[in-house]
Amino acid sequence: GQNIDQPTEMTATEGAIVQINCTYQTSGFNGLFWYQQHAGEAPTFLSYNVLDGLEEKGRFSSFLSRSKGYSYLLLKELQMKDSASYLCAALDSNYQLIWGAGTKLIIKP
Amino acid sequence: ETGVTQTPRHLVMGMTNKKSLKCEQHLGHNAMYWYKQSAKKPLELMFVYSLEERVENNSVPSRFSPECPNSSHLFLHLHTLQPEDSALYLCASSQDIGGAYEQYFGPGTRLTVT
Repeated sequence: GQNIDQPTEMTATEGAIVQINCTYQTSGFNGLFWYQQHAGEAPTFLSYNVLDGLEEKGRFSSFLSRSKGYSYLLLKELQMKDSASYLCAALDSNYQLIWGAGTKLIIKP
Repeated sequence: ETGVTQTPRHLVMGMTNKKSLKCEQHLGHNAMYWYKQSAKKPLELMFVYSLEERVENNSVPSRFSPECPNSSHLFLHLHTLQPEDSALYLCASSQDIGGAYEQYFGPGTRLTVT
């Protein structure tokens, strides 16, 4: 079957760095998305990776290893507003998104 | 203008009621989606429409009935729901289907079935 695994919850300190991991098993693979969802709000797009390597976008970076079925989202210089859930989703061979359950990130002062 | 809007934001309904959720996208996208989001579970894709035609129906109970009158509007008609249907219902749109298209989400309707 198709599956996405990511930690349920993580805690980090303001100003620090946190890495949220995601492993995936899909029938074929056409890329991986990360979305951010603040409580009570809509998920919003953060990144898309289809090739191996690291893509940086300001304080946020996303990494992909296709051979390992693994991705991570790296958040630097954490701010209180980064407290949110982070959703990992992989595109399978039919371009259907397979979603993880999300990682709730709690930032402490 | 927010890209994807949903109404109502909150809905409480009894098991014998009939209600409808509305979604509108102002992005000129061809594809629209309904998702169910329950606590600590992955997003569940319910329905996909491309150019007003349904292209996906993931074994959703018939008490949920979608309608897409045009490429900007999507409805989810609800009737005789069960308490386990209580969840956040999210609408999304994307430029098209069959590719690596970013999805744009609405804020959701928080549904409680009593």
